[in-house]
Amino acid sequence: DSGVTQTPKHLITATGQRVTLRCSPRSGDLSVYWYQQSLDQGLQFLIQYYNGEERAKGNILERFSAQQFPDLHSELNLSSLELGDSALYFCASSLDSSYNSPLHFGNGTRLTVT
Amino acid sequence: DQQVKQNSPSLSVQEGRISILNCDYTNSMFDYFLWYKKYPAEGPTFLISISSIKDKNEDGRFTVFLNKSAKHLSLHIVPSQPGDSAVYFCAASAASSGTYKYIFGTGTRLKVLA
Repeated sequence: DSGVTQTPKHLITATGQRVTLRCSPRSGDLSVYWYQQSLDQGLQFLIQYYNGEERAKGNILERFSAQQFPDLHSELNLSSLELGDSALYFCASSLDSSYNSPLHFGNGTRLTVT
Repeated sequence: DQQVKQNSPSLSVQEGRISILNCDYTNSMFDYFLWYKKYPAEGPTFLISISSIKDKNEDGRFTVFLNKSAKHLSLHIVPSQPGDSAVYFCAASAASSGTYKYIFGTGTRLKVLA
């Protein structure tokens, strides 16, 4: 158990809808990362937060947004969903935002857009 | 552009033998590398890391080798066990980028045959 909690585990929704994925980091970790894994793809970096502030952005679509709250949990909002957004979404946390601070991953949220 | 490449999608090895998983990168600014293991329905789990100031790091049955001139790293598992069967991801980061994000490869599925 990595200590990172993601909810829900599975999500099925229709195109055009909006969903929110939630992540609670490991106790003591200040940094939260979101990654997307599509079929047969690697983990694509979406966005990173550190202590409530956005620290880095990857290939995150404008339809996607995220935030980290004062209690350090994070939410990833996906709107105007398309079939291609179907993927596994992973949240990871680390102690700080340094480049050599290993990430600890949650078990992911599997999103299916129909 | 895939900055971190794992060119072998799968690998089968006999129990007790050595497993060698390879990873190539293109960005010469990467200076910290990690290997993660992923079982089905779980998030990736951190295995071992190496800084660019080293060329080898060992942790039990796992050893990571880094060849900076070739922009290549490898993970050796000796001896391989059936429980090692999983997908292995390599990842890289660059302190100088200022973003501290990890770039992942597409993974290699290792199957250890009993």
